Amino acid sequence: GAGVSQSPSNKVTEKGKDVELRCDPISGHTALYWYRQSLGQGLEFLIYFQGNSAPDKSGLPSDRFSAERTGGSVSTLTIQRTQQEDSAVYLCASSFRQTYEQYFGPGTRLTVT
Amino acid sequence: AQSVTQLDSQVPVFEEAPVELRCNYSSSVSVYLFWYVQYPNQGLQLLLKYLSGSTLVESINGFEAEFNKSQTSFHLRKPSVHISDTAEYFCAVSGAGGTSYGKLTFGQGTILTVHP
Repeated sequence: GAGVSQSPSNKVTEKGKDVELRCDPISGHTALYWYRQSLGQGLEFLIYFQGNSAPDKSGLPSDRFSAERTGGSVSTLTIQRTQQEDSAVYLCASSFRQTYEQYFGPGTRLTVT
Repeated sequence: AQSVTQLDSQVPVFEEAPVELRCNYSSSVSVYLFWYVQYPNQGLQLLLKYLSGSTLVESINGFEAEFNKSQTSFHLRKPSVHISDTAEYFCAVSGAGGTSYGKLTFGQGTILTVHP
């Protein structure tokens, strides 16, 4: 079946602009995770969704970051007033249950100029 | 909270030689352990996992890892590597309890380079 998909695959934006990153999880997966992969920080957890609710937002680095999930499926990660330190690859993963293996999407490479 | 330490950032090895990629973790709760692999210009793929049961787990392409609770380690090994094993390998841990939500804490990664 189809895997996790993310769009866009690449995004270049100017400092101060807002961006939206989209994730389509594997059908039937109730748990959805966002991570960030950057040279300086490695792979970091951002936020977790169970259904449409986000019980764990502990990894969001600032209040410029927000995420939502609708219909228990698609999720959008929004970064407002982007900064250069936001440049990274943003990865989405989904799993059947929260403690099971996670399947990762190909990521969105965000470059803030 | 959990943390993961991958002791080697880069491991060069010749083809058909054995390899071990080291991973140590710390956690105040029971854990699940994972190895993910990232081939050049590709996404993260699950290589193998330890959830419970036998402490030795194997992947379909010849890798194995052993959960050692007393040493808090989950080292990855392969007796004979191939050129195609060249990739970055990430060790990851999640808390086994429900309040951890299954979020993964990753090590910094080990770049395995297999030379002919």
